[in-house]
Amino acid sequence: AQSVSQHNHHVILSEAASLELGCNYSYGGTVNLFWYVQYPGQHLQLLLKYFSGDPLVKGIKGFEAEFIKSKFSFNLRKPSVQWSDTAEYFCAVKAGTGFQKLVFGTGTRLLVSP
Amino acid sequence: DVKVTQSSRYLVKRTGEKVFLECVQDMDHENMFWYRQDPGLGLRLIYFSYDVKMKEKGDIPEGYSVSREKKERFSLILESASTNQTSMYLCASSLRQQGVGYGYTFGSGTRLTVV
Repeated sequence: AQSVSQHNHHVILSEAASLELGCNYSYGGTVNLFWYVQYPGQHLQLLLKYFSGDPLVKGIKGFEAEFIKSKFSFNLRKPSVQWSDTAEYFCAVKAGTGFQKLVFGTGTRLLVSP
Repeated sequence: DVKVTQSSRYLVKRTGEKVFLECVQDMDHENMFWYRQDPGLGLRLIYFSYDVKMKEKGDIPEGYSVSREKKERFSLILESASTNQTSMYLCASSLRQQGVGYGYTFGSGTRLTVV
């Protein structure tokens, strides 16, 4: 069965620092990849997604992610974080084609100090 | 604005009670999902449904059942609540036509405490 690993469980950054959150998945075939964000007290929202084409995907609020097939990775990046980026971030993978459920990672809690 | 609405934001129930968690979506989505979210464990799929009256077990279905009598409504049932079912429960939906690969829309969650 496919799995998703997010190795950083907690990340603490100062405002204006650069962010990179790791995501690795275990599936050798076609994948669709997602990053979701959950701000405190709010519902999960889609940040960005990858289906095909350009492996560098740009999402909302200045986030981007790069799909590196050879490394089975889809890391999330932001050049300069803000206090409002404090949230929990989840990577998710849909493996294969057709109807497949999303498999989520365990999440990374990001705290940005002002 | 499209929505997935979960009927309760917070619930406190007693051990052994039968608990119903309701989820309604207004997007005409075919697929609906129930997850539980626990610290350090991420989101784990309990059950999902890809059509009315259809249901499939997810990764952790034990102690739960579901009902999908109408397209817009997907109910999660805890037959006899136990303390280890204290958790945040998330409902989500997606279109079938584009496959689940186009992403889910989530509800705000129900935080259930079983005492």
